[in-house]
Amino acid sequence: DAGVTQSPTHLIKTRGQQVTLRCSPISGHKSVSWYQQVLGQGPQFIFQYYEKEERGRGNFPDRFSARQFPNYSSELNVNALLLGDSALYLCASSIQGETGYTFGSGTRLTVV
Amino acid sequence: GIQVEQSPPDLILQEGANSTLRCNFSDSVNNLQWFHQNPWGQLINLFYIPSGTKQNGRLSATTVATERYSLLYISSSQTTDSGVYFCAVPYSSASKIIFGSGTRLSIRP
Repeated sequence: DAGVTQSPTHLIKTRGQQVTLRCSPISGHKSVSWYQQVLGQGPQFIFQYYEKEERGRGNFPDRFSARQFPNYSSELNVNALLLGDSALYLCASSIQGETGYTFGSGTRLTVV
Repeated sequence: GIQVEQSPPDLILQEGANSTLRCNFSDSVNNLQWFHQNPWGQLINLFYIPSGTKQNGRLSATTVATERYSLLYISSSQTTDSGVYFCAVPYSSASKIIFGSGTRLSIRP
């Protein structure tokens, strides 16, 4: 069984650009969450989606948006990139969003 | 909001040593997870442990929910155990999990 898959694995973007990160959850998992991890810190919650509905949003600006598709995969979009958006972006899936989470390998975004 | 604190922040041990990592949380929780983040950034589930004790090989974890702490034990450490260990608890109707600041473990050969 495939785990949580994220793409791309690495990405370099220029300030002001837009980026889309993708996540496919474990088969049977209906909840997808996104986390941002900057160097030296623990992951910080960005969004959670369950059954294509947003269930939670962290303290991030409106430049960050996400959606979940009928097959439960998800995209995270970040507009008008800033240097401070450079981080590891992690996707986690769970069955219902209230049980154990499984994380993907992450997308390492560098903004220059 | 709920606070999650981990100690120690850093731990350097020789291969073969045992270690205990602690996670304190400020409010009642109905589940807790321990993760190991390897040097490549992958967060690996270790335990989902709302209460009680679980063991998996050289690792075991105990959560005492009434006293708001959890312990992760690593016995006979190996260099592959190096990395950052995080505990995480649910918050806000469990729509998100809050991570502690982590314990960075370095195992020297």
